[in-house]
Amino acid sequence: KAGVTQTPRYLIKTRGQQVTLSCSPISGHRSVSWYQQTPGQGLQFLFEYFSETQRNKGNFPGRFSGRQFSNSRSEMNVSTLELGDSALYLCASSLDKSADTQYFGPGTRLTVL
Amino acid sequence: GQSLEQPSEVTAVEGAIVQINCTYQTSGFYGLSWYQQHDGGAPTFLSYNALDGLEETGRFSSFLSRSDSYGYLLLQELQMKDSASYFCAPLSGNTGKLIFGQGTTLQVKP
Repeated sequence: KAGVTQTPRYLIKTRGQQVTLSCSPISGHRSVSWYQQTPGQGLQFLFEYFSETQRNKGNFPGRFSGRQFSNSRSEMNVSTLELGDSALYLCASSLDKSADTQYFGPGTRLTVL
Repeated sequence: GQSLEQPSEVTAVEGAIVQINCTYQTSGFYGLSWYQQHDGGAPTFLSYNALDGLEETGRFSSFLSRSDSYGYLLLQELQMKDSASYFCAPLSGNTGKLIFGQGTTLQVKP
């Protein structure tokens, strides 16, 4: 089976712009979680989707949003980008609602200038 | 509340054994996962302990004590390729999500 894929792998944006990141989970996996990873803060949970519904949300401002499609693919959007949004954004999929085993994608490295 | 503690850095030599400890406070605790992440790479799943005791997978073992809110990852016969960050991640039954911290950077020296 193909692993979790994320596009694009690298992205450079300027402050104030918006960005959309895409994640395709492992075939058959219905749960997708998003994380932000920065050197100072480690891995921080953004949100989780299961069967097109947001199940959990982390402590991020409303500028961060996401959605999941009927084929389990997910997108996350960040509007009005700030310098502090520069990070590695990781997507992880799991087979069902249980998050005990998650499979991570390679991530999207976002740089905000 | 929720809290998670693991050492920020650990150094060991090739061939040695190293233990990475993790203490947690998680509402509705279900189990403890461990992930490995090489520099520039994605986290990869190592193990999940739902019950007390030791789980062994090759050179890696993971232990959980639910009563002590404590777990550890044991890496034996260390190899240079084991140099990476290791994250313990308790699973909250209340939220259904894994809680990641900042991880432990393991440096294996020749």
